[in-house]
Amino acid sequence: EVQLLDSGGGLVQPGGSLRLSCVASGFTFGTFAMTWVRQAPGKGLQWVSGISGSADNKWFADSVKGRFDISRDSSKNTVYLQMSTLRVEDTAIYYCAKSNGYNYVGHFDYWGQGTLVTVSS
Amino acid sequence: QSVLTQPPSASGTPGQRVTISCSGTYSNIGSNSVSWYQQFPGTAPKLLIYYNDQRPSGVPARFSGSKSGTSASLAISGLQSEDEADYYCAAWDDSLNGNVFGIGTKVTVL
Repeated sequence: EVQLLDSGGGLVQPGGSLRLSCVASGFTFGTFAMTWVRQAPGKGLQWVSGISGSADNKWFADSVKGRFDISRDSSKNTVYLQMSTLRVEDTAIYYCAKSNGYNYVGHFDYWGQGTLVTVSS
Repeated sequence: QSVLTQPPSASGTPGQRVTISCSGTYSNIGSNSVSWYQQFPGTAPKLLIYYNDQRPSGVPARFSGSKSGTSASLAISGLQSEDEADYYCAAWDDSLNGNVFGIGTKVTVL
């Protein structure tokens, strides 16, 4: 059974940093791209970033480019989202999701439960 | 403002057919496959349709997807009360080099 466990959310001040983690199980982690999607309170889904199975390719939404980084550790079956220079508008539930492909984002067939990031002074 | 355009709401009575549209451009829907997600309040989204018209195992056959040109649609045939949820379309955008979602459509069962 595929499981994704998101963690690392919390309250942070504007300009601060936070690292989210997503531990995956139930599939061969290194053969699939992974993605982060966020949802601001009462709003729709917004794709944030993706990373290929080999970690050679990374993709970012324009709104987070230069501030967020994505990485993965195959020895720990974990994908990370390092968030820096956080803004109030980054406040959202962040979901980790498994992509269907190896070197492309594709569609998202499994999702984590989400972790809440609140950026506020 | 989302890159993919969906109606904010749709409704129907039990047993009716409801269709949700998703309009994009050549760089997203016109060039890549569309997926659909179902989300209930307070829960994570769930994959409903992928590759335009494919259903993952476990998704009821009353859900179907289609795509033509730069538009896609999700149909729910034989609407049931448990289908009341938010529905999102998504696709890769070659110009943005990123994935894009629609704003979401809230389906209400009257």
